[in-house]
Amino acid sequence: GAVVSQHPSRVICKSGTSVKIECRSLDFQATTMFWYRQFPKKSLMLMATSNEGSKATYEQGVEKDKFLINHASLTLSTLTVTSAHPEDSSFYICSAPTKREGQFPYNEQFFGPGTRLTVL
Amino acid sequence: AQSVTQLDSHVSVSEGTPVLLRCNYSSSYSPSLFWYVQHPNKGLQLLLKYTSAATLVKGINGFEAEFKKSETSFHLTKPSAHMSDAAEYFCVVSGTPSGYSTLTFGKGTMLLVSP
Repeated sequence: GAVVSQHPSRVICKSGTSVKIECRSLDFQATTMFWYRQFPKKSLMLMATSNEGSKATYEQGVEKDKFLINHASLTLSTLTVTSAHPEDSSFYICSAPTKREGQFPYNEQFFGPGTRLTVL
Repeated sequence: AQSVTQLDSHVSVSEGTPVLLRCNYSSSYSPSLFWYVQHPNKGLQLLLKYTSAATLVKGINGFEAEFKKSETSFHLTKPSAHMSDAAEYFCVVSGTPSGYSTLTFGKGTMLLVSP
């Protein structure tokens, strides 16, 4: 099956610094990737849709200047949390879809293992 | 527009007894439906999916789910719980007429399994 990786898996940083999280599709190309945020004991909330070669689309309430997304290639999207603060501490997960053909085609999302960000 | 409602935030069962995790959905289009499992501090793992094929879907680890359009439900079941099944389970809906669509997650159901 398709594999999506994230790096780093865990990061601790000081307040005010910026942190970059990478999301890679290892064995398939992804023109679109999605970034989610998951608070403790909560569901996943879609933050933004990352589009290769164009600007990301942000969900309502997500600060685009705070969470910079760059989709530089067909296998890599990055999320940069700028000037991080303790309230940005969370579990960030990316996903990439791939189309499954057949009698009943559908889009299947593959999720990265997540990145645990802790801002001190 | 689409939404997912997981009817129970927590479900407690004894090892060896059946599991039922309930999910209702709404979608403007013919949806694709998924169940994912997340163990503590781990990523999401796909259990099973419904994509307009058979309404009874079998997944990994003995789980299955039945798509019932008339009830707009997609409940997850397992005949006999195992201790290793203790985790958070998410019901997810996806559906647009064409192209890649975003996923809408339910709030999750924590499955607790006691010896």
